[in-house]
Amino acid sequence: AQKITQTQPGMFVQEKEAVTLDCTYDTSDPSYGLFWYKQPSSGEMIFLIYQGSYDQQNATEGRYSLNFQKARKSANLVISASQLGDSAMYFCAMREFSNYGGSQGNLIFGKGTKLSVKP
Amino acid sequence: GAVVSQHPSWVICKSGTSVKIECRSLDFQATTMFWYRQFPKQSLMLMATSNEGSKATYEQGVEKDKFLINHASLTLSTLTVTSAHPEDSSFYICSARGTQRRTGELFFGEGSRLTVL
Repeated sequence: AQKITQTQPGMFVQEKEAVTLDCTYDTSDPSYGLFWYKQPSSGEMIFLIYQGSYDQQNATEGRYSLNFQKARKSANLVISASQLGDSAMYFCAMREFSNYGGSQGNLIFGKGTKLSVKP
Repeated sequence: GAVVSQHPSWVICKSGTSVKIECRSLDFQATTMFWYRQFPKQSLMLMATSNEGSKATYEQGVEKDKFLINHASLTLSTLTVTSAHPEDSSFYICSARGTQRRTGELFFGEGSRLTVL
């Protein structure tokens, strides 16, 4: 079963509007972290926001906020006031802190959502 | 903030040659580095976990003899694609885990785009 699911292969949003990128996850580890990364066409991975499984409040970083619904196992990214420079691939990722498995706490990535901001 | 540098950014090589990609943590020590491969319009797939001073741990399906990983110091890990073939053409990204406890965040290199002719 997929551990990270991003159901939106592509999204369009009008400049200056808000957009929500969906992410659901699956884990039995009580301690985990959820990350969102932005990947522009140049390829580098840019960290946007982090939410820990025990964090009481939803994470916010500037125009980025994470709508964390633990019971539903969802961690949607909300981008407010979209800008043209927000056009990129967005990846949701998870790290399980208790169960290192064979990869010592590697990040597990979703398939990504391609966001296009229209002027 | 922590920075991870990856070199080269672009490389084109002939089939049968070997290519080395370096991943450096510039301002922190990274005992663990991860190597990913990303095909066009797809997600990052973990290839191997690189541990300083010990053998890398490879993911299922990744050829150890094909993708040689060396993590000789706390700030450098290298990935060597041996006897490269066109199907090895891909975007390779490294990441390093910082020592900060709060997030266990991974810092990513800029990526290396390999094209094998």
